[in-house]
Amino acid sequence: DAEITQSPRHKITETGRQVTLACHQTWNHNNMFWYRQDLGHGLRLIHYSYGVQDTNKGEVSDGYSVSRSNTEDLPLTLESAASSQTSVYFCASSGVVGTGGREQYFGPGTRLTVT
Amino acid sequence: GQNIDQPTEMTATEGAIVQINCTYQTSGFNGLFWYQQHAGEAPTFLSYNVLDGLEEKGRFSSFLSRSKGYSYLLLKELQMKDSASYLCAVDRGSTLGRLYFGRGTQLTVWP
Repeated sequence: DAEITQSPRHKITETGRQVTLACHQTWNHNNMFWYRQDLGHGLRLIHYSYGVQDTNKGEVSDGYSVSRSNTEDLPLTLESAASSQTSVYFCASSGVVGTGGREQYFGPGTRLTVT
Repeated sequence: GQNIDQPTEMTATEGAIVQINCTYQTSGFNGLFWYQQHAGEAPTFLSYNVLDGLEEKGRFSSFLSRSKGYSYLLLKELQMKDSASYLCAVDRGSTLGRLYFGRGTQLTVWP
């Protein structure tokens, strides 16, 4: 069965360190998204990609970067982790436009703590 | 810009019916989604409306009025397992597949 996975599921890191969160999907979806979820804010979009070599900034992109070298993977990098980046991070993917509703399928999430 | 509003919390009893409302003001519209999210888990897709009217899926139904910028999720025959956060999300259509989420409604079902 197709799925979307994230690793690690839990991560504790120190302020200033570079951290990379992995996202891998086997849906063969073109569109991939990274969100963070915090109490009181709901899901906020960090970065997204509509295909290989395409990346776009979301509403809270400062301090984060992504790269898309293949269809399956969209790793999220925190350049220099800050305590404000302590959050739960969700990766999602959706199919090509024209396949009906463009619902997004979410990975299980990564809980990141920056100390 | 976009503004998506839904109540923060709701409570109901087992077996009852509950309606969770969502209002939106967005520059562009290409459909509205409802997701369910249990504590500590990922959001899962519940429903999609792009045309006005009611879509029914078992115990869950979703309604859309585009002219009013309004949707609701109706949950019937509530069960304890329906205790979760329900997220409303709008596809503005201007950027392919990007969704704008409300903050979610935390539903608690009591026995």
